[in-house]
Amino acid sequence: DAKTTQPTSMDCAEGRAANLPCNHSTISGNEYVYWYRQIHSQGPQYIIHGLKNNETNEMASLIITEDRKSSTLILPHATLRDTAVYYCIVRVAGGTSYGKLTFGQGTILTVHP
Amino acid sequence: DTEVTQTPKHLVMGMTNKKSLKCEQHMGHRAMYWYKQKAKKPPELMFVYSYEKLSINESVPSRFSPECPNSSLLNLHLHALQPEDSALYLCASSQVLGEGYGYTFGSGTRLTVV
Repeated sequence: DAKTTQPTSMDCAEGRAANLPCNHSTISGNEYVYWYRQIHSQGPQYIIHGLKNNETNEMASLIITEDRKSSTLILPHATLRDTAVYYCIVRVAGGTSYGKLTFGQGTILTVHP
Repeated sequence: DTEVTQTPKHLVMGMTNKKSLKCEQHMGHRAMYWYKQKAKKPPELMFVYSYEKLSINESVPSRFSPECPNSSLLNLHLHALQPEDSALYLCASSQVLGEGYGYTFGSGTRLTVV
């Protein structure tokens, strides 16, 4: 699976959009981008995933660059409850990583009042 | 029911004890996972079960013994643990093996080995 690079931490004001970047310059054509988050003292929570098109659901939007070397998770109106560690994961659905969801260091997002 | 339930939430055990962690889901998911998470670190995969059969063991020491007695239940048996095994143990499930989305995690068991 391709390696990902995320900033260690980010801050965001409540009510503003939070834009979390992820670099995955070695991504291959059949690898998906997944985002999970982990709120303190809870298990990780699935947010969104995509292959090459931008995706949106009730939680967030995922913007993937045309060359697929980076992506951005957007929380459109951040709240205090969005304070969490956000993990960007790149993996192929099959192959040698079949069944493995491997977490990197993630980005600590702190939403301020 | 859209939850993964883990019991107990907290466990303190001595190095000579035998204990078990339990994980249960009723979403009809056929893949189940154990992760270990140390403080301020990301979760690390330990075991993967698919259709009640062990699919992946990430070279976990034998003092950790997983068991999947049926499609809804996953256990982790603990024996002769070391203090460095103290961590948050997370269980997760997904509809089938191979998909990266839709993992549902429990809130974990916080284990302290004394």
